[in-house]
Amino acid sequence: DQQVKQNSPSLSVQEGRISILNCDYTNSMFDYFLWYKKYPAEGPTFLISISSIKDKNEDGRFTVFLNKSAKHLSLHIVPSQPGDSAVYFCAAIGSSEKLTFGTGTRLTIIP
Amino acid sequence: NAGVMQNPRHLVRRRGQEARLRCSPMKGHSHVYWYRQLPEEGLKFMVYLQKENIIDESGMPKERFSAEFPKEGPSILRIQQVVRGDSAAYFCASSPRGGGIPLQYFGPGTRLTVL
Repeated sequence: DQQVKQNSPSLSVQEGRISILNCDYTNSMFDYFLWYKKYPAEGPTFLISISSIKDKNEDGRFTVFLNKSAKHLSLHIVPSQPGDSAVYFCAAIGSSEKLTFGTGTRLTIIP
Repeated sequence: NAGVMQNPRHLVRRRGQEARLRCSPMKGHSHVYWYRQLPEEGLKFMVYLQKENIIDESGMPKERFSAEFPKEGPSILRIQQVVRGDSAAYFCASSPRGGGIPLQYFGPGTRLTVL
């Protein structure tokens, strides 16, 4: 039962352009949604989050949008930089305090 | 302020042996979580502990796996009689008490290889 889904395993974007990573969820009881970035052989690093009562949160080059009616969220990175190349995980958390992760999207920024 | 520490970073075991994975949370953090990542998959929750208490172990396999977070020392994830299917990256995360965003900080992981 995949409660958090990232349907694009990979994405390539030209440097300087916008990267858009998508995530869908099925459980309407989640309270927060988080994006983590992961480099090979390292642990996930927190990037940005959004409360379920918000529809947008912005932090520098990163913006997360939440569409509750569609049970969909997206992460926008603009402008994309070579250091953004990594695997991005969407995660959700509710009252149980355990993170439910998607399968990840590998983002490659092309110089 | 040191981050979440895990050791060993790499662990090789033969089938039937025991694996012990250690996690030291960030200073001031009293909540510890263990996750497992199989190849080409996302991280899957295993267990949530506070000092001397298991809060949620709904993601732990029923046999061979156990976890503890003693009053003193690191949290330990123990896998008895390992099998090839246990080969994975095991990540520990910690969080502080209190409200606000339920942010979990991850360690670098232990990569377990079962021969």
